[in-house]
Amino acid sequence: RKEVEQDPGPFNVPEGATVAFNCTYSNSASQSFFWYRQDCRKEPKLLMSVYSSGNEDGRFTAQLNRASQYISLLIRDSKLSDSATYLCVAAPGSARQLTFGSGTQLTVLP
Amino acid sequence: NAGVTQTPKFRILKIGQSMTLQCTQDMNHNYMYWYRQDPGMGLKLIYYSVGAGITDKGEVPNGYNVSRSTTEDFPLRLELAAPSQTSVYFCASSYSGPAGNTIYFGEGSWLTVV
Repeated sequence: RKEVEQDPGPFNVPEGATVAFNCTYSNSASQSFFWYRQDCRKEPKLLMSVYSSGNEDGRFTAQLNRASQYISLLIRDSKLSDSATYLCVAAPGSARQLTFGSGTQLTVLP
Repeated sequence: NAGVTQTPKFRILKIGQSMTLQCTQDMNHNYMYWYRQDPGMGLKLIYYSVGAGITDKGEVPNGYNVSRSTTEDFPLRLELAAPSQTSVYFCASSYSGPAGNTIYFGEGSWLTVV
């Protein structure tokens, strides 16, 4: 079983749609969680950290459910520029390394 | 702002050849990392370093070597290249451990072994 699992997609949604991605992690010791965004043939970039209380950044909302060991990312009012692969990332508390999911591909259609 | 700089961006190697991927960062970060990303897969950690003179293996270190003689530089050495090492390689850095700090990635090095 992979340590971090994501639905690979692809998710094809029209502009303006709301889309949600889920990610599950198997290491119960994981303490820190992140969503990274990776454009085609580019490097990953941090989109947002995920906090236990949930957090929001503009159109993006991230939530963490420790009991069920999953993380979610909600994108509202999708833009064409949101088209990318979204990587779910987990790290144990004393981590010197992160565990990346394989990514979920999103395409926002005009 | 240079950030993390990797060279070369593209390289084709023959089986059995060796090469070094260069990585330098100008953010005075203590932690540096090398990841590889195969098509449709997540990033796998090859090696990492928590400071000059200190390196440690990640998840997939076989076939690679690293050194960290300065804070800025973290080269990755491929010895006896094999087709299984065809991948995209990302160097990255962070101020301290990745659990609480943003990791900054270089633009990647596309390596093909034929």
